[in-house]
Amino acid sequence: QVQLEESGPGLLKPSQTLSLTCTVSGGSISSGSHYWSWIRQPAGKGLEWIGRIYTSGSISYNPSLKSRVTISADTSKNQFSLKLSSVTAADTAVYYCAREGYDILTGYLGFQQWGQGTLVTVSS
Amino acid sequence: DIQMTQSPSTLSASVGDRVTITCRASQSISSWLAWYQQKPGKAPKLLIYKASSLESGVPSRFSGSGSGTEFTLTISSLQPDDYATYYCQQYNDYPRTFGQGTKLEIK
Repeated sequence: QVQLEESGPGLLKPSQTLSLTCTVSGGSISSGSHYWSWIRQPAGKGLEWIGRIYTSGSISYNPSLKSRVTISADTSKNQFSLKLSSVTAADTAVYYCAREGYDILTGYLGFQQWGQGTLVTVSS
Repeated sequence: DIQMTQSPSTLSASVGDRVTITCRASQSISSWLAWYQQKPGKAPKLLIYKASSLESGVPSRFSGSGSGTEFTLTISSLQPDDYATYYCQQYNDYPRTFGQGTKLEIK
């Protein structure tokens, strides 16, 4: 069973860069049938998709964050990462990494596996 | 962006009740819709994909229907473990977008 685990600093000051890593175990991020996403959730609010990477090199970002976001992957470590620059208090949220399945016959299969989430707080 | 709107925002129901949650998309998304269950302090859990396909291991009391712009999630007989917040999500296009959530409360 594939497991995902987020890691990174939990407290940032405004204007700093948020850096999180998702470590994947039980499966390879290089497998051809999955996409790897970052999703966030402010306390008491809904879910916001940040972006995703497919390890062939294809990357998509949410236009609302695109100017500040970079997602990358390190296949040798079976990890993918998120960088969000110039953070403000509005970026305070639980950040999740997730795996979106894909089947050649069915198409996309939804976010099938999620990490447990990591709280990032932006405060001076 | 495709906007997803869920109704109701809050729903009170009793154990054994049949419950239906509605999700509407701002444009047609064919059947590219998923439903998730989230409990406090936990990550969302996939219940339904492609509007009506039950994810492996999810109880059969959960079902999904719809296509185009209108979708429903039905719980046929509410169980104590089902009290949670439910989200719909479209994957017809990028960016992926979620509904605002429906909180299912004990009546």
